[in-house]
Amino acid sequence: NAGVTQTPKFQVLKTGQSMTLQCAQDMNHNSMYWYRQDPGMGLRLIYYSASEGTTDKGEVPNGYNVSRLNKREFSLRLESAAPSQTSVYFCASRLTGGSNQPQHFGDGTRLSIL
Amino acid sequence: AQSVTQLGSHVSVSEGALVLLRCNYSSSVPPYLFWYVQYPNQGLQLLLKYTTGATLVKGINGFEAEFKKSETSFHLTKPSAHMSDAAEYFCAVSDQTSRGSTLGRLYFGRGTQLTVWP
Repeated sequence: NAGVTQTPKFQVLKTGQSMTLQCAQDMNHNSMYWYRQDPGMGLRLIYYSASEGTTDKGEVPNGYNVSRLNKREFSLRLESAAPSQTSVYFCASRLTGGSNQPQHFGDGTRLSIL
Repeated sequence: AQSVTQLGSHVSVSEGALVLLRCNYSSSVPPYLFWYVQYPNQGLQLLLKYTTGATLVKGINGFEAEFKKSETSFHLTKPSAHMSDAAEYFCAVSDQTSRGSTLGRLYFGRGTQLTVWP
């Protein structure tokens, strides 16, 4: 009963390094999302994929790229990490078909950039 | 555009006391609202979701929320707090067009940290 799985759980990077955060869901959901969580800011949407083959920007996309590899997987890439990207990153998925379909979240990736 | 305001970043109650966490929304169309809970070092877990036409929504762990259109509010309550309720709570509203379609994007409030004292 895995749900949404994120890897890695923790990572420390140096400024300028690149990294890809992985996300996979086993619920046959169509839509997937990447958020970042910063203290006192709630969660903010970085990118989303409404369906396989499509991706689009959210509220805070600068410095990130995404790939919807297939229906199950949605990765987030930091090409040149900056200290301002230190955050907790959450992936979520959702079954489309109605506005009140909830999102299901992974346990997060805690990323520190020195 | 949709947005959410959670009043009070920290709420403290005694065990057994009423829990009231406030959420006000802004939406140009009838909103779809959610409450999520986050325990330390975990992801977000759905507590409850608003269903069109309902005024009182029941969720898990004894929580419920009342939808008041006139006040644009969706406050979360629990009659009697338990130590295990200590967590951070997020109110969120889903994007929606005037035609009722959605991309499922959520707009979150900044969260309310609930502390329960023994």
